[in-house]
Amino acid sequence: DAKTTQPNSMESNEEEPVHLPCNHSTISGTDYIHWYRQLPSQGPEYVIHGLTSNVNNRMASLAIAEDRKSSTLILHRATLRDAAVYYCILRDNTGNQFYFGTGTSLTVIP
Amino acid sequence: DTAVSQTPKYLVTQMGNDKSIKCEQNLGHDTMYWYKQDSKKFLKIMFSYNNKELIINETVPNRFSPKSPDKAHLNLHINSLELGDSAVYFCASSQAPYEQYFGPGTRLTVT
Repeated sequence: DAKTTQPNSMESNEEEPVHLPCNHSTISGTDYIHWYRQLPSQGPEYVIHGLTSNVNNRMASLAIAEDRKSSTLILHRATLRDAAVYYCILRDNTGNQFYFGTGTSLTVIP
Repeated sequence: DTAVSQTPKYLVTQMGNDKSIKCEQNLGHDTMYWYKQDSKKFLKIMFSYNNKELIINETVPNRFSPKSPDKAHLNLHINSLELGDSAVYFCASSQAPYEQYFGPGTRLTVT
């Protein structure tokens, strides 16, 4: 069911930028790209989403490839509190189909 | 104020028992969901309700029965519990088609 592919794990040094990639080669024209993260022992939390254009919010930036078959979540300065599993998800325009992949486990090194 | 709450947080029970997990959201959302996260941390949607109507019912044993008494509540009842039902169950809500807000999870252990 998962339509996205992400690396299993990544590491980053504290206060450095992190680029988390996601491939979604079967994305349809109406699918939104969502990113969520799950901190240890917590429920997932929304990070950012986009359709075609790059997006910025207080948590992160989302860079979407021109052909929309891949995207990158950018954390501008990683902190220890950013250590989590990051999920890239495709959501159809009804909002009802929402499948999580295996995610990327991000380790932040002090 | 807790946006999405679940009770209980932990549930330990024996095989064959029937148990329920409750979920409430105070965000005024019209859509609620149940997810199961297994020991390998894979998060899979089970059910989705929109305005008290079932709109997603993934391949889940019919021992699992969701009940939505009103828009703010979506409870999950599980009959004849099996060892394989041990997992963390998350409730979520959204004002579809926007972002989902997740509860803290209920860790179910079946012995």
